[in-house]
Amino acid sequence: DARVTQTPRDKVTEMGQEVTMRCQPILGHNTVFWYRQTMMQGLELLAYFRNRAPLDDSGMPKDRFSAEMPDATLATLKIQPSEPRDSAVYFCASGSEGFTYNEQFFGPGTRLTVL
Amino acid sequence: KQEVTQIPAALSVPEGENLVLNCSFTDSAIYNLQWFRQDPGKGLTSLLLIQSSQREQTSGRLNASLDKSSGRSTLYIAASQPGDSATYLCAVNTGFQKLVFGTGTRLLVSP
Repeated sequence: DARVTQTPRDKVTEMGQEVTMRCQPILGHNTVFWYRQTMMQGLELLAYFRNRAPLDDSGMPKDRFSAEMPDATLATLKIQPSEPRDSAVYFCASGSEGFTYNEQFFGPGTRLTVL
Repeated sequence: KQEVTQIPAALSVPEGENLVLNCSFTDSAIYNLQWFRQDPGKGLTSLLLIQSSQREQTSGRLNASLDKSSGRSTLYIAASQPGDSATYLCAVNTGFQKLVFGTGTRLLVSP
């Protein structure tokens, strides 16, 4: 059945290293979202794409984070350089934007630990 | 700035009870409201979505209501089961697909 996939599921890295997280949205969906979940802040929207174009990345620290959609089947979130405060679970979600029906479907997440 | 609050933060009930989870939001200008379930270490599973023009949605033992003018939504779970144990999150769509999430209610249903 159709679902959002994310890789890797778990990532442990050292401070200063580059981290790349990948997401495959549900085939046919035209919107992709990146969220971050922490105990302190809960779920926060980082970036949002529609038809592969970035529409809003105001929730993302610009100096170290970048989000792209090289094609309709792949979205990436990069952190360079990573810091311990980036430790969180990063979720990707996709949706099919219509006039009213715009449910978001979430992937299983990437648990990032920066030492 | 939209803020979403869920009460209670945690709830423990015996199997078979009917229960209500609450979600409140500060700005009534929303496009829709979505209820999610999150199991430990897992992603979010969409349960119900209510458009701003709707009053309620039902799926099986779940019923969600929306009162936009008062900034409230409730999720009613009938005849709770141990498999319902999870964290329940509500999220409001403030426009341009932006979801603002609540703080969550952690539910434990004991056999």
